[in-house]
Amino acid sequence: DIQMTQSPSTLSASVGDRVTITCRASQSISSWLAWYQQKPGKAPKLLIYKASNLESGVPSRFSGSGSGTEFILTINSLQPDDFATYYCQQYSSSSWTFGQGTKVEI
Amino acid sequence: QVQLVESGGGVVQPGGSLRLSCAASGFTFSSYGMHWVRQAPGKGLEWLAFIRYDGHDKYYADSVKGRFTISRDDSKNTLYLQMNSLRAEDTAIYHCVKEKAVVMDYWGQGTLVTVSP
Repeated sequence: DIQMTQSPSTLSASVGDRVTITCRASQSISSWLAWYQQKPGKAPKLLIYKASNLESGVPSRFSGSGSGTEFILTINSLQPDDFATYYCQQYSSSSWTFGQGTKVEI
Repeated sequence: QVQLVESGGGVVQPGGSLRLSCAASGFTFSSYGMHWVRQAPGKGLEWLAFIRYDGHDKYYADSVKGRFTISRDDSKNTLYLQMNSLRAEDTAIYHCVKEKAVVMDYWGQGTLVTVSP
């Protein structure tokens, strides 16, 4: 099975900061990567699909890049609403795997 | 608007069984694959199972293969997860999730399953 490793596990940032979260796959997944945001007590929300495609309604300060085994989620000009936990997720061979999550906190 | 409402969670003893349901509305249920994803208290997300839109293909995580069964009833717009041989480590919130081209675009709020003596 493909393992997904996110770094860092926790990230301290301030409003207005540019934030990057890295996700590494244990083997190549082409561009089959998505990013989700989850706030406490809420269901996850899809942000990015196929590595770099912004989901409809998601602010343009979110962007994704990468292919193969290394992927990055970037949040430009962090807003108060962005403090949350972020998960990457891969799809390969009819199996889906999430990273362990990155908590973005003040 | 898309709505996914899970039900059927509760407290069950180790070794017991439970069937979760997910009532879907706001989209053409029979046209989309569906997932179950769980989250243990304070932990991350774990994908469990997927059923294709036509019900012909089903896939499972190793952790639940042979114990859990995903199914769907398109006449009722409902997704199911039959869980057998439950263990303490199955304690989690279970989410029903709609597929969008191999990713997951709409999530239900989840139903809590607690496996405890």
